[in-house]
Amino acid sequence: QSVLTQPPSVSSAPGQKVIISCSGSSSNIGGNYVSWYQQLPGTVPKLLIYDNNNRPSGIPDRFSGSKSGTSATLGITGLQTGDEADYYCGAWDSSLPGFVFGTGTKVTVL
Amino acid sequence: QVQLVESGGGLVTPGGSLRLSCAASGFSFSDYSMNWIRQAPGKGLEWISFVSTNGNTKYYADSVKGRFTISSDNAKNSVYLQMNSLRVEDTAVYYCARRGWLHDFFDYWGQGTLATVSS
Repeated sequence: QSVLTQPPSVSSAPGQKVIISCSGSSSNIGGNYVSWYQQLPGTVPKLLIYDNNNRPSGIPDRFSGSKSGTSATLGITGLQTGDEADYYCGAWDSSLPGFVFGTGTKVTVL
Repeated sequence: QVQLVESGGGLVTPGGSLRLSCAASGFSFSDYSMNWIRQAPGKGLEWISFVSTNGNTKYYADSVKGRFTISSDNAKNSVYLQMNSLRVEDTAVYYCARRGWLHDFFDYWGQGTLATVSS
């Protein structure tokens, strides 16, 4: 089961900004790096952010990540219809040990 | 370019077994740890297993511990998942994914293979 908590859904108008939160604990987010994944409808998940705030090549700077304590956030600016997808945070959990994903957040562009 | 290609999924009855394979290409397979991640229909992502570069370190999610076994073969550039005592709740798309360099994230994913457990 997921041990990282995300809001089920967020929405905003095109061109606007959304922020997705990811809440964990000291054994996962608090002590390890956070990554974020985008899953467009019917497709394979794709790495969006790694090591808390780094973007792989090809990911636009409209996507940003941050971490503070046992929480992390993903920000998407200049929202586009093509950003409609499910977004997952993830981190290694040293207490298990194992990797844990967030519950997932569906982004809707109004 | 990096490619991960899963195979071996299919329909199996509860209590049965499946062996998934993931063939890797486009990178030095022996330099990277590999993982299996699954997604039940309409559900979120669930990490299920990790194998280190030399195959000596393996981790499992509690949901599959004792039933699933991960292995890798550097000579064949492949990672495997032996799934025994399958349950209906194991029905999912199974992805193999490469662990990123140095830290825990998944930078490349396969297209997935569907395992359906049903009577």
